[in-house]
Amino acid sequence: QKEVEQNSGPLSVPEGAIASLNCTYSDRVSQSFFWYRQYSGKSPELIMSIYSNGDKEDGRFTAQLNKASQYVSLLIRDSQPSDSATYLCAVKDGNTGKLIFGQGTTLQVKP
Amino acid sequence: SQTIHQWPATLVQPVGSPLSLECTVEGTSNPNLYWYRQAAGRGLQLLFYSVGIGQISSEVPQNLSASRPQDRQFILSSKKLLLSDSGFYLCAWNRGQNGNTIYFGEGSWLTVV
Repeated sequence: QKEVEQNSGPLSVPEGAIASLNCTYSDRVSQSFFWYRQYSGKSPELIMSIYSNGDKEDGRFTAQLNKASQYVSLLIRDSQPSDSATYLCAVKDGNTGKLIFGQGTTLQVKP
Repeated sequence: SQTIHQWPATLVQPVGSPLSLECTVEGTSNPNLYWYRQAAGRGLQLLFYSVGIGQISSEVPQNLSASRPQDRQFILSSKKLLLSDSGFYLCAWNRGQNGNTIYFGEGSWLTVV
């Protein structure tokens, strides 16, 4: 069964620091990768998508993809208390096209 | 722009009672539609997905069912709820024909008592 693995955390960082969230996946043919943010009691919202090896930057967020290592990460620079949430990694199954979600990593940004 | 709505937002139902959650998508045609469940402290579990009217695929065996009576309408049902059906139910959509990003509705909190 294809899997997406994340450390459940919580990951605690001070305000202004860089938060690093990591995700590994088992499907070698996956081509599409996503990071969602989910505040407590709310539905997930898309932060970033990445399809090519390397880095993709959007404001304070940077997604990093290494297909050879089957590894995708999300960096949040200048972390703010409002970034405190659960971050879900999702990988598109290369055969079925469905998204497979990790369990999520809870991030706590302390003022 | 496309929007997705689901309702009700919250419901408390007794064991053995029926369930109906409804979801509609606006601003697009022929979307792929999904029902996910998120149990407390756990990840997203895909329950059903649909690529078109009347076309439903079930991912896990359970006492839930789904229907798609119209292109942009997706309904999750149960004839008799179990305690284990409690959770956060999410409707989602993406574009058909190898669409990538999935967009979620607001979610429905179900507590079975």
